[in-house]
Amino acid sequence: DIVMTQSPDSLAVSLGERATINCKSSQSVLYSSKNKNYLAWYQQKPGQPPKLLIYWASTRESGVPDRFNGSGSGTDFTLTISSLQAEDVAVYYCQQFYSTPPTFGQGTKVEIK
Amino acid sequence: EVQLVESGGGLVQPGGSLRLSCAASGFTFSSYWMQWVRQAPGKGLVWVSRTNSDGSNTIYADSVKGRFTISRDNAKNTLYLQMNSLRAEDTAVYYCARPRLGGSYLYALDIWGQGTMVTVSS
Repeated sequence: DIVMTQSPDSLAVSLGERATINCKSSQSVLYSSKNKNYLAWYQQKPGQPPKLLIYWASTRESGVPDRFNGSGSGTDFTLTISSLQAEDVAVYYCQQFYSTPPTFGQGTKVEIK
Repeated sequence: EVQLVESGGGLVQPGGSLRLSCAASGFTFSSYWMQWVRQAPGKGLVWVSRTNSDGSNTIYADSVKGRFTISRDNAKNTLYLQMNSLRAEDTAVYYCARPRLGGSYLYALDIWGQGTMVTVSS
């Protein structure tokens, strides 16, 4: 199984500041023939199901604010919230869907400083 | 509106059984591979199982293999998860989820149900 490791486990950021979450996979999730990274980012608020933010590592889902950006390739990925808003307080998960079983990172909790 | 609604959760004793349902609406259910993902209280997301669009191809996490069965009724737009020989470690919120596009499982999950809680305890 591909192991997804996120860092940090939690972070506190001031409103309007940048939040950066890292995700590392134990093997590459780049499908070379399609030139796509099979990596997604989800946001989960308390009591709610996960919400898809980013797929193919860097493609923003429709309706997701442009302050959310995904980057990276191969085994190293980053989710950046460029200017943290109060409504961004949540747990964020990366997920690889390159191989079965699809696996999630352990989650990163983002709070307001 | 595209929607998934789970039901069937509850309290069950160790060794017992439950069947979860996930009713789909607002999209062509029969075109999509469907998945179950679970989340233990205070913990992260764990993939459980998936089925292809007609139910002929299924796969499971090692932790549930031989105990859980995923199935679907495309005429009723409903996905199921039959859970047998339940253990305390199966306690979780169970979500059904749909990939962004039909015809494959190789997509991120863009539609999730609200989840149904399963508690295994004596």
